[in-house]
Amino acid sequence: DQQVKQNSPSLSVQEGRISILNCDYTNSMFDYFLWYKKYPAEGPTFLISISSIKDKNEDGRFTVFLNKSAKHLSLHIVPSQPGDSAVYFCAASARGNTGKLIFGQGTTLQVKP
Amino acid sequence: EADIYQTPRYLVIGTGKKITLECSQTMGHDKMYWYQQDPGMELHLIHYSYGVNSTEKGDLSSESTVSRIRTEHFPLTLESARPSHTSQYLCASRGPLWDEQYFGPGTRLTVT
Repeated sequence: DQQVKQNSPSLSVQEGRISILNCDYTNSMFDYFLWYKKYPAEGPTFLISISSIKDKNEDGRFTVFLNKSAKHLSLHIVPSQPGDSAVYFCAASARGNTGKLIFGQGTTLQVKP
Repeated sequence: EADIYQTPRYLVIGTGKKITLECSQTMGHDKMYWYQQDPGMELHLIHYSYGVNSTEKGDLSSESTVSRIRTEHFPLTLESARPSHTSQYLCASRGPLWDEQYFGPGTRLTVT
């Protein structure tokens, strides 16, 4: 039973446009959500996070939105750049649960010049 | 940003060999984690540790073992490698205040 789902395996956008990556979760105990970026043969790099007490967090070109009632979060990248091409993982944790992260399957983003 | 190191980066080894994947971090983090990841799949937690002499199995069953004798060092050992162990192994650590885990570069293991 997958608790964190990224239903789009891939996404292709034009440079300069907005990239929107989506993530759904099922466990209502999750109270902290993170996005990671991963290049092939490298470890994931932390991008941005959001606590369940917020519905939006922004850091430069990256914004994460959280809709708790829908158990849905999204990552917006504006404007998209070719260097953003990578696999993006959504992750969730329940703070009472020892800090373990549950990851989605990832979405491969391709930004075309 | 945490400094976390993994060696080797790539390893090709024959069936039945014993291997140890090294993971070290220089941030003094108590919490450390090992994940296994296959292409197109999520990261699966296979081991974690909350500090020296603390090790726990993760959500995904694994034939590997870990040890935590020093805070900065969290090696993973496979006593007898099999082709089914072929995967990418990722080590991570986490500080006391935040939920972010910081990852090393990973070890790509191929068992022939």
